[in-house]
Amino acid sequence: DQQVKQNSPSLSVQEGRISILNCDYTNSMFDYFLWYKKYPAEGPTFLISISSIKDKNEDGRFTVFLNKSAKHLSLHIVPSQPGDSAVYFCAASAPAMDSSYKLIFGSGTRLLVRP
Amino acid sequence: DTGVSQDPRHKITKRGQNVTFRCDPISEHNRLYWYRQTLGQGPEFLTYFQNEAQLEKSRLLSDRFSAERPKGSFSTLEIQRTEQGDSAMYLCASSLKSDEKLFFGSGTQLSVL
Repeated sequence: DQQVKQNSPSLSVQEGRISILNCDYTNSMFDYFLWYKKYPAEGPTFLISISSIKDKNEDGRFTVFLNKSAKHLSLHIVPSQPGDSAVYFCAASAPAMDSSYKLIFGSGTRLLVRP
Repeated sequence: DTGVSQDPRHKITKRGQNVTFRCDPISEHNRLYWYRQTLGQGPEFLTYFQNEAQLEKSRLLSDRFSAERPKGSFSTLEIQRTEQGDSAMYLCASSLKSDEKLFFGSGTQLSVL
């Protein structure tokens, strides 16, 4: 049972345009969401996060939107650059008694930004 | 380099052999996590330490898997009697107690022949 779903395995956009990556979740207990970026042969790198008390968080070219009623979040990259080409993972965590912050990951979306 | 360090980067072994991976977390981080990632999937949680205490283990972690963090610093993950299904990228991550953001190492790619 996948609690975090990224239904688009790949996305291709032109350099300079907007990239929109989507993520859906099923567990209503999730209260913190993160996006990670992964290049081949490297570990995931933290990109941006959002708490469930917010509906938007922005950091430079990256903005994450959260729609709790739809259990949906999205990552917008504007403008997209060739160096953004990577696999993007959505992750979520729920409150735990020991504050373990165990992250549940989606299966990833491979973004290709064409020059 | 003050990031999470994993060793080795790659490991090729024959089925039935034992393997051990090492992870050195960011020095001030007291939480350490092991994840496994297979092709086309996201990282899957295996186990978690707070200091030297192993506080949670996933059902994915069979009896052939054991992890330790003896002094609350580096950690080892051992797989006994490896099987071809163990082939995956094994990722280590660390974090501060108060932070939900995990910092990942580059992983150990295991291939079981």
